Amino acid sequence: AQSVAQPEDQVNVAEGNPLTVKCTYSVSGNPYLFWYVQYPNRGLQFLLKYITGDNLVKGSYGFEAEFNKSQTSFHLKKPSALVSDSALYFCAVRVVMNSGYSTLTFGKGTMLLVSP
Amino acid sequence: DTGVSQDPRHKITKRGQNVTFRCDPISEHNRLYWYRQTLGQGPEFLTYFQNEAQLEKSRLLSDRFSAERPKGSFSTLEIQRTEQGDSAMYLCASSLEGTTNYGYTFGSGTRLTVV
Repeated sequence: AQSVAQPEDQVNVAEGNPLTVKCTYSVSGNPYLFWYVQYPNRGLQFLLKYITGDNLVKGSYGFEAEFNKSQTSFHLKKPSALVSDSALYFCAVRVVMNSGYSTLTFGKGTMLLVSP
Repeated sequence: DTGVSQDPRHKITKRGQNVTFRCDPISEHNRLYWYRQTLGQGPEFLTYFQNEAQLEKSRLLSDRFSAERPKGSFSTLEIQRTEQGDSAMYLCASSLEGTTNYGYTFGSGTRLTVV
């Protein structure tokens, strides 16, 4: 089955320090990978995607992610965390359904807590 | 058009009642998706529309669930004879066919509580 895994339920980091939120994937073929962020009682907001090209992808709010094919990983990173980055982060992968149409399958999410 | 709108934001209903949620996607987006998100989990795919055609349904979408998109614009999701296990956040998302973005735009969701 095509899926993503987020091994950490929660990541704690101090403001100003670098952060990493981990994601590994399991897909057949070339993966289309995404990161979304969710603030309390809100829908998901798109951060960045990897379709093809450079392994380092830059996205919104200073976030970036590194695609690593050999490790089947797509970790989210930011050089200097802000308290306002505290939120729930979801990794997702495009999956092709039996009908031939595609949708996104999400990980269970990682709560990022940035302390002042 | 400011994004994907969902109504209501919150719904509390008694077990056994029927509920209906509405989603208004971004106007030029022809693809529409419904997801369900329970506490501690990521969103789970329910169903997919391309224009007015419902092209894919998840096994999660039991016979008590029905979704429509009658004119290829707004969509409704109805749950009949609600059960406590239906309590969740129901998310709608839209996207535009033919783009390479593949980034969905999500609404803020409808939080359903079945008591």
